[in-house]
Amino acid sequence: AQSVTQPDIHITVSEGASLELRCNYSYGATPYLFWYVQSPGQGLQLLLKYFSGDTLVQGIKGFEAEFKRSQSSFNLRKPSVHWSDAAEYFCAVGILTGGGNKLTFGTGTQLKVEL
Amino acid sequence: DGGITQSPKYLFRKEGQNVTLSCEQNLNHDAMYWYRQDPGQGLRLIYYSQIVNDFQKGDIAEGYSVSREKKESFPLTVTSAQKNPTAFYLCASKVREGYNEQFFGPGTRLTVL
Repeated sequence: AQSVTQPDIHITVSEGASLELRCNYSYGATPYLFWYVQSPGQGLQLLLKYFSGDTLVQGIKGFEAEFKRSQSSFNLRKPSVHWSDAAEYFCAVGILTGGGNKLTFGTGTQLKVEL
Repeated sequence: DGGITQSPKYLFRKEGQNVTLSCEQNLNHDAMYWYRQDPGQGLRLIYYSQIVNDFQKGDIAEGYSVSREKKESFPLTVTSAQKNPTAFYLCASKVREGYNEQFFGPGTRLTVL
């Protein structure tokens, strides 16, 4: 069965520092990968997605992610974190089932930004 | 503006009562989804629907029911059989074909007293 692992439950970085959030997936076929961000008490917003092609994908708010098939990873990065980036981040893998397409989510990484 | 609306934002119910959460979208999406979110557990899929009058159980469907009578609407009923219903519930939608992203509503926080 497919699964997504986000090994870091909480991460704290200083404003202006670089950020990397880890995501590892397990899926037998070609993965379709997503990163979402959630502010407290809100819905999820898509940051970026990978379907095929260039393994380095750019997203909104200055985020990027790199797909590494050999490591089954899709880590999210940002060169310089802003205080407004404090939120919870979810990695997800899209799968195709008999009932249609669905997403499997990781358990999330809570990002705290120190000023 | 196109989007997904969920109402109400906060919902309180007494134990043993059924409650229905609303989800409406005007994105013309065929597929709709319901997730439950608990701290430290990410999002877990309750039910999903790829087309009107059809829906599938997700990973944690027990104690929940849905209907899909209209393309725009996918209400979720939390029944008294759900043992721990207090949670944050998120609705999402997407175009049916392909692996396009899901768009999420703002969520409903249900508290059962």
